[in-house]
Amino acid sequence: DVKVTQSSRYLVKRTGEKVFLECVQDMDHENMFWYRQDPGLGLRLIYFSYDVKMKEKGDIPEGYSVSREKKERFSLILESASTNQTSMYLCASSLKGSYNQPQHFGDGTRLSIL
Amino acid sequence: AQSVTQLGSHVSVSEGALVLLRCNYSSSVPPYLFWYVQYPNQGLQLLLKYTTGATLVKGINGFEAEFKKSETSFHLTKPSAHMSDAAEYFCAVSMSGGSNYKLTFGKGTLLTVNP
Repeated sequence: DVKVTQSSRYLVKRTGEKVFLECVQDMDHENMFWYRQDPGLGLRLIYFSYDVKMKEKGDIPEGYSVSREKKERFSLILESASTNQTSMYLCASSLKGSYNQPQHFGDGTRLSIL
Repeated sequence: AQSVTQLGSHVSVSEGALVLLRCNYSSSVPPYLFWYVQYPNQGLQLLLKYTTGATLVKGINGFEAEFKKSETSFHLTKPSAHMSDAAEYFCAVSMSGGSNYKLTFGKGTLLTVNP
């Protein structure tokens, strides 16, 4: 089974802090994704990566950046956290090369910015 | 651009009743369609997917969905609801030829099962 592990289940940070959310997958997947999930809005794509050191903006990249130095690890960075970034963050991975491959999700990080 | 509409943000059924969760999509090319389930405080888990071939797709936990191209729909059903089915359900579409295997998700339907 694919395992996608997010480093923290719950995280509390302060406004203005630089925040790192880490995600690791163990199935050698090429694609990795970061979403945020808010009530009534579903999942919105922040960034994704289809290879090491490669990244593309999703639908809501403002205020975020990402890093992918190794294939198994994809980090989401909040450069200067703000209260409107309080949310559930979900990481996912999938195989490259086919549009019919499902994405596999971690359990999420619930981030609160005070 | 592709999009997904889930009709009804909240559906409530009695235990043993039919579950019907609606999903309509828009896509300019043949889509790949997915249903995911999210239990409280967990990530999303794949229920089933439609790629090509048989339009009636069976998934885990007794769920199934039917791809109807003429109606651009992919509704999720289960003949008899169980208390353990209470969760949030997301429909998603991936478009062949689209951008790097992105999934577009609906806003979700929260299923409540009453005893």
